[in-house]
Amino acid sequence: RKEVEQDPGPFNVPEGATVAFNCTYSNSASQSFFWYRQDCRKEPKLLMSVYSSGNEDGRFTAQLNRASQYISLLIRDSKLSDSATYLCVEDLGTDKLIFGTGTRLQVFP
Amino acid sequence: EAGVTQFPSHSVIEKGQTVTLRCDPISGHDNLYWYRRVMGKEIKFLLHFVKESKQDESGMPNNRFLAERTGGTYSTLKVQPAELEDSGVYFCASSYYNEQFFGPGTRLTVL
Repeated sequence: RKEVEQDPGPFNVPEGATVAFNCTYSNSASQSFFWYRQDCRKEPKLLMSVYSSGNEDGRFTAQLNRASQYISLLIRDSKLSDSATYLCVEDLGTDKLIFGTGTRLQVFP
Repeated sequence: EAGVTQFPSHSVIEKGQTVTLRCDPISGHDNLYWYRRVMGKEIKFLLHFVKESKQDESGMPNNRFLAERTGGTYSTLKVQPAELEDSGVYFCASSYYNEQFFGPGTRLTVL
């Protein structure tokens, strides 16, 4: 079983829609979680960290549920520029990032 | 401020040859990491340097891979001899404290 599991998608949504991705992790000792964004043939870039209390950055909201071992990312009012692959990432506390395979999002006009 | 840079951006070699990848971290970042993504799989950790010391090399696939970071600045990752399964994108990342900043990657193709 993979350490971090994500639905690969693709999620095809119209502009303005709200879309949510979930991710599950298997190691209950995981310390930190992140969402990274990766555009086609580019490097991953940190989108946001994920905290138990939940955190919001503009149109993006991330949530962590330690009891159920899942992480979510909500994108409101989707833009064409949001089209990318979203990577769920965990850190066991050793600076060694564990990546999911990513969820592809395609926003259409 | 310059980001993480990697060289070359692409490399095509034949099985059995040697390839050396280079990573220049963001200036002042003591932590340097190598990751790899093979086709259809997730990005996987290879190793972590703190300055010139290897902090964690648990992800290195085998002894055909050798990473160095002389003087705690740039790092090289040498694959010798290369095998077909080594094909993929090799990312380097650096950090000062928490956030890891990734370079554009080197796309390695072994024929």
